[in-house]
Amino acid sequence: DGGITQSPKYLFRKEGQNVTLSCEQNLNHDAMYWYRQDPGQGLRLIYYSQIVNDFQKGDIAEGYSVSREKKESFPLTVTSAQKNPTAFYLCTSSTPGHRNTIYFGEGSWLTVV
Amino acid sequence: RKEVEQDPGPFNVPEGATVAFNCTYSNSASQSFFWYRQDCRKEPKLLMSVYSSGNEDGRFTAQLNRASQYISLLIRDSKLSDSATYLCVVRSSASKIIFGSGTRLSIRP
Repeated sequence: DGGITQSPKYLFRKEGQNVTLSCEQNLNHDAMYWYRQDPGQGLRLIYYSQIVNDFQKGDIAEGYSVSREKKESFPLTVTSAQKNPTAFYLCTSSTPGHRNTIYFGEGSWLTVV
Repeated sequence: RKEVEQDPGPFNVPEGATVAFNCTYSNSASQSFFWYRQDCRKEPKLLMSVYSSGNEDGRFTAQLNRASQYISLLIRDSKLSDSATYLCVVRSSASKIIFGSGTRLSIRP
């Protein structure tokens, strides 16, 4: 079955460390997205990529970095510059087109200790 | 102004009630619209797409008003299992996908 795989599901990070969250999809989707969700809040767009080797900043890109070297992979690095990284991170993918469904990974919980 | 805005709620209604949510969007070029449901600590799940002519799926009805730039979701005969957060989602012409902050719904017996 096709889908999106995020890993790890739970991650603890010490202050000052960079961490990378993995997102892999086997749906052959061109577009991939990373969102952050804080408790009781909605999803905020961090970065998105519409094609390999290209990506755009979302609304809260500061302190994060991404790469899109392969169509199926869109890893997110939470850098030490992100001052409040504890959150739920969701990766999604979609094909272009108005009616195409958005597919979600199961999410990654990042906690800074 | 946020690109997509929703009333955060919470809406607390008795079982069997009808409840409606609205969502406004700022980009008039937005091309597609969806309602997603999110349960606590889980990823969002697609509830329904929203079409210009309005569409219905059982107890759920979605409508789009392009002139006023809002979409709505109506839930009739609400069930306890409808308790969740409902997210409005808007896709722009450039494939940017923006989520509203969500409206929390709690159905009481």
